[in-house]
Amino acid sequence: GAGVSQSPRYKVAKRGQDVALRCDPISGHVSLFWYQQALGQGPEFLTYFQNEAQLDKSGLPSDRFFAERPEGSVSTLKIQRTQQEDSAVYLCASSQRRQGLWQPQHFGDGTRLSIL
Amino acid sequence: GESVGLHLPTLSVQEGDNSIINCAYSNSASDYFIWYKQESGKGPQFIIDIRSNMDKRQGQRVTVLLNKTVKHLSLQIAATQPGDSAVYFCAETSNYGQNFVFGPGTRLSVLP
Repeated sequence: GAGVSQSPRYKVAKRGQDVALRCDPISGHVSLFWYQQALGQGPEFLTYFQNEAQLDKSGLPSDRFFAERPEGSVSTLKIQRTQQEDSAVYLCASSQRRQGLWQPQHFGDGTRLSIL
Repeated sequence: GESVGLHLPTLSVQEGDNSIINCAYSNSASDYFIWYKQESGKGPQFIIDIRSNMDKRQGQRVTVLLNKTVKHLSLQIAATQPGDSAVYFCAETSNYGQNFVFGPGTRLSVLP
């Protein structure tokens, strides 16, 4: 497709379960970002990939959060041993640089994660 | 106003009026700024961007103003329409940086 695609759109899990969230970026975009968005707040940065390299994971809230992009396209955000505070919308965005300058990020519609 | 949890600052305007949404950014090294519109259940949608070598940029019905002296960004929407009702976020980054920082958001409500 032409835009960023995320799946699943909704995920309900019991506390303690592991979950995996998928992101298909725009074709050709080397930069991929994951964000966490709590209700009524702006997106909070989690991690950034350039191709397959994870260049910044400073926003990951704990070592239960893990992201990968093994072939430089599709990315997966995995959360192990989920906790109720992990409930949020997880957004993926892709972007690129032209002549060294950032271009706008394009977002998917997110995965709404609810931990019971 | 400040956003606390669910209580986003809200701007209510009459249909057809102009809207101005403001954003104070935090990092004086930021040199690229974006405005996004987010509707319920959807991801942020790009509206307009501006780089620090400009102080004004216009799009279709929208204008972004950048005041680097006071680290302030504004989004002006002309002839506001019901379809403009959404939450609006500003985002900042540096071309040397690796992430985008989002503001708390403003809810725009268009009254008929």
